[in-house]
Amino acid sequence: QKEVEQDPGPLSVPEGAIVSLNCTYSNSAFQYFMWYRQYSRKGPELLMYTYSSGNKEDGRFTAQVDKSSKYISLFIRDSQPSDSATYLCAMSFTGNQFYFGTGTSLTVIP
Amino acid sequence: NAGVTQTPKFQVLKTGQSMTLQCAQDMNHEYMSWYRQDPGMGLRLIHYSVGAGITDQGEVPNGYNVSRSTTEDFPLRLLSAAPSQTSVYFCASSYQPNQPQHFGDGTRLSIL
Repeated sequence: QKEVEQDPGPLSVPEGAIVSLNCTYSNSAFQYFMWYRQYSRKGPELLMYTYSSGNKEDGRFTAQVDKSSKYISLFIRDSQPSDSATYLCAMSFTGNQFYFGTGTSLTVIP
Repeated sequence: NAGVTQTPKFQVLKTGQSMTLQCAQDMNHEYMSWYRQDPGMGLRLIHYSVGAGITDQGEVPNGYNVSRSTTEDFPLRLLSAAPSQTSVYFCASSYQPNQPQHFGDGTRLSIL
């Protein structure tokens, strides 16, 4: 079983929709949670970073961590064509090693 | 404002050849790491370093060597390339191990 599971999609939504991306994990010791966005032929870039559980909001993006269910989510409000990318979740417990999901491919249709 | 710079961007090797993938960062980050990204597998950690002179293995270290002689540079060496090492390789860095990492744009490596 992988440490981190993420539905690969692909996910296709109309412009302006609310997008929900999710990851589940097996190691209850994970404390650091991140979401990255990766455009084609580019490196991942950080979107959201949270420590432990709870919610964090940054503009159109909201990250949620539910440690009791071992489940994290990223919500994108008012999705734009420029949000079309692959979204990667990542998590860590010691901080020395991060474990990544396989990524969810998102297309926002104008 | 270069961030994390990886060279080369593309490389084709023959089985058994060796090569070094270069990674440099100009942000004075202590933590640096190498990942490989394969379809359906996500990013997997190869090696990491928490500072100059200190390296450790990640999830998939076999066939790769690293060294960290300076804060800025963290090269990844393929000792004897194998087709299974065909992948996209990413270098990343951060101030501290538990902080979000900045990634380079990757090296696309094909081994024939």
